[in-house]
Amino acid sequence: EAGVAQSPRYKIIEKRQSVAFWCNPISGHATLYWYQQILGQGPKLLIQFQNNGVVDDSQLPKDRFSAERLKGVDSTLKIQPAKLEDSAVYLCASRSLPRKTKKLYGYTFGSGTRLTVV
Amino acid sequence: GENVEQHPSTLSVQEGDSAVIKCTYSDSASNYFPWYKQELGKGPQLIIDIRSNVGEKKDQRIAVTLNKTAKHFSLHITETQPEDSAVYFCAAGFAGDMRFGAGTRLTVKP
Repeated sequence: EAGVAQSPRYKIIEKRQSVAFWCNPISGHATLYWYQQILGQGPKLLIQFQNNGVVDDSQLPKDRFSAERLKGVDSTLKIQPAKLEDSAVYLCASRSLPRKTKKLYGYTFGSGTRLTVV
Repeated sequence: GENVEQHPSTLSVQEGDSAVIKCTYSDSASNYFPWYKQELGKGPQLIIDIRSNVGEKKDQRIAVTLNKTAKHFSLHITETQPEDSAVYFCAAGFAGDMRFGAGTRLTVKP
């Protein structure tokens, strides 16, 4: 099966500019996550979608970050305006519903988008 | 919420030796403990996982142990090879809510 697709792979912007990342999860995966991974740290959850609804966005800086998952498939994550501390790799992951598989599976991650804010 | 601590942050071993990475978690409700390997420029890849009803699981050279009472779990890699060099992350949680450790950079010297 195809993996989780993300684009772009790299992005360099100036502070106060805006940027958007795109994610296409594995076909049929209802749950989609956006993680922020700062250099030298583990991934930190930003937002979780179940189909096209938000399940958890408690750690999303909502004054500057927004995300949507229209039609419950692709998702976009936007930052506006960007700050220097937003420099990180933004990872998208997807997972199938446990009750369909009757198992808990780990997430499948995309390769991420490396954002540099200068 | 869940808090996961991982150590060591860096680990260097000779090829053929064993490597052990340890994690502790705080939420006793956590019932799923995956381990991920992340190579440079790639996303984390699931290498092994364990559920709370199991104490140990092995897959070829990789094994994971879980001590629910002490709330810690460990990754064991035997007969290490240079291609095992990467950053390893543990995670703990339940359903769709997982928290990651800070990672361990493993270097296997030929």
